Amino acid sequence: DVKVTQSSRYLVKRTGEKVFLECVQDMDHENMFWYRQDPGLGLRLIYFSYDVKMKEKGDIPEGYSVSREKKERFSLILESASTNQTSMYLCAIWALADYGYTFGSGTRLTVV
Amino acid sequence: QQQVKQSPQSLIVQKGGISIINCAYENTAFDYFPWYQQFPGKGPALLIAIRPDVSEKKEGRFTISFNKSAKQFSLHIMDSQPGDSATYFCAASNTGGFKTIFGAGTRLFVKA
Repeated sequence: DVKVTQSSRYLVKRTGEKVFLECVQDMDHENMFWYRQDPGLGLRLIYFSYDVKMKEKGDIPEGYSVSREKKERFSLILESASTNQTSMYLCAIWALADYGYTFGSGTRLTVV
Repeated sequence: QQQVKQSPQSLIVQKGGISIINCAYENTAFDYFPWYQQFPGKGPALLIAIRPDVSEKKEGRFTISFNKSAKQFSLHIMDSQPGDSATYFCAASNTGGFKTIFGAGTRLFVKA
C-alpha cells in the first residue's frame, strides 16, 4: 500500500510568515492533491498536480502556491500566513486501483 | 453548484447493530464513489469504493449499495463495533480524482 507522509503533525506560525508544508509519497503516483479541512466547510481542494512541475488550481488557491520538483514530493506554500489559514491540511494521492484517495495524517496549522 | 447530500449528520447505533449512511448525488459524470473513515485528529482513510456499473460491493463488514437510476448510494456497516465510532464521508470522483465532491460527513457513535 502507498504511504503518504506529511512532515509535521502540528505547526504554529506567526502572521506574515512564509510556511512550507511537505508531503512525500513512497510510490510512483502521478496525481497529488492538497486539501484543507475546516468544521462546517468540509474538505476543500487547494491545488493539485498531475506530474512533475505541473500544477492546477483547485477551488480555494488564493494565498497558496505549490511546488513539485520531484514526483514523490508535493509542497504547499503559504506565501504570507494569515489567521484565516488556520486549518487542518491534508495531502493525498489518487490511487486508481483503489478507486479513491490515500490521505496523509494531516498537518494541524495554527497561525497566530 | 454540484452537491453530494449525505444523511444523517449523526448516528448512534448499539454494538452489533447495522449502521446505515446514505448519500445522493446530482451529476452523472462521476466514475467512482468512495467512502472514507476519519478518526479525530487523523486524515481520512479510504474504506471502500464502487464504480457506477456495479450495484453492490462488500468488503468484510462494510457494504456499498449503489442505485444508479436514483443517483443514490449507501454504506452499511454490519455488526457495528465501538471501534467503528468515527466520521464517515461519502464522495463522488472522476477518474484521476481531479474533480471530487465530498458529502458533509456523518458522525457515528457505536454504544458498547
